[in-house]
Amino acid sequence: EAGVAQSPRYKIIEKRQSVAFWCNPISGHATLYWYQQILGQGPKLLIQFQNNGVVDDSQLPKDRFSAERLKGVDSTLKIQPAKLEDSAVYLCASSSSGYNEQFFGPGTRLTVL
Amino acid sequence: GESVGLHLPTLSVQEGDNSIINCAYSNSASDYFIWYKQESGKGPQFIIDIRSNMDKRQGQRVTVLLNKTVKHLSLQIAATQPGDSAVYFCAENAPPGRRALTFGSGTRLQVQP
Repeated sequence: EAGVAQSPRYKIIEKRQSVAFWCNPISGHATLYWYQQILGQGPKLLIQFQNNGVVDDSQLPKDRFSAERLKGVDSTLKIQPAKLEDSAVYLCASSSSGYNEQFFGPGTRLTVL
Repeated sequence: GESVGLHLPTLSVQEGDNSIINCAYSNSASDYFIWYKQESGKGPQFIIDIRSNMDKRQGQRVTVLLNKTVKHLSLQIAATQPGDSAVYFCAENAPPGRRALTFGSGTRLQVQP
């Protein structure tokens, strides 16, 4: 089966610019997650969707980050405006409902200059 | 690709030796644990999981041990190979309803040929 797809793989922007990341989960997976992984650390959850509804966005910096999953399949994560400390790898993962394994995409490496 | 973590604890072993990677988890309510392997430039890859009603689970060349009394998880890799070189993360999941994972800080495994 095809894995989780993410694009772009790399993005370099200047601070205060906007950026958007796209994720296509594994077909049939109802749950989608966005994680932020800063260099040298483990991934940290930003937002979790169940179908097209938000389950947990408690760690999402809502003043600058937004995410949507309008049709319950693909998702986009946006940062506007970006700060230097947003430089990280943004990982998308998906799973079927319940206590199931999460499958991760390759991530988007963001560099904010 | 860029390293996943430049300042992580590092375990260096000889090819063919057994490796043991340790993890202390934080939430006594966590009831599901996963070990992930992350190679440079890639997303985390599932290795093995264990539920809190077990204290040991074996896979192919890997064994996970869970000690709930001291909130400790370990990953044992038998006959370590150069392809096992990566950063290893433990992750925990606590009920109720929360399906996103809380990741540890990771350990870098270096296998010397």
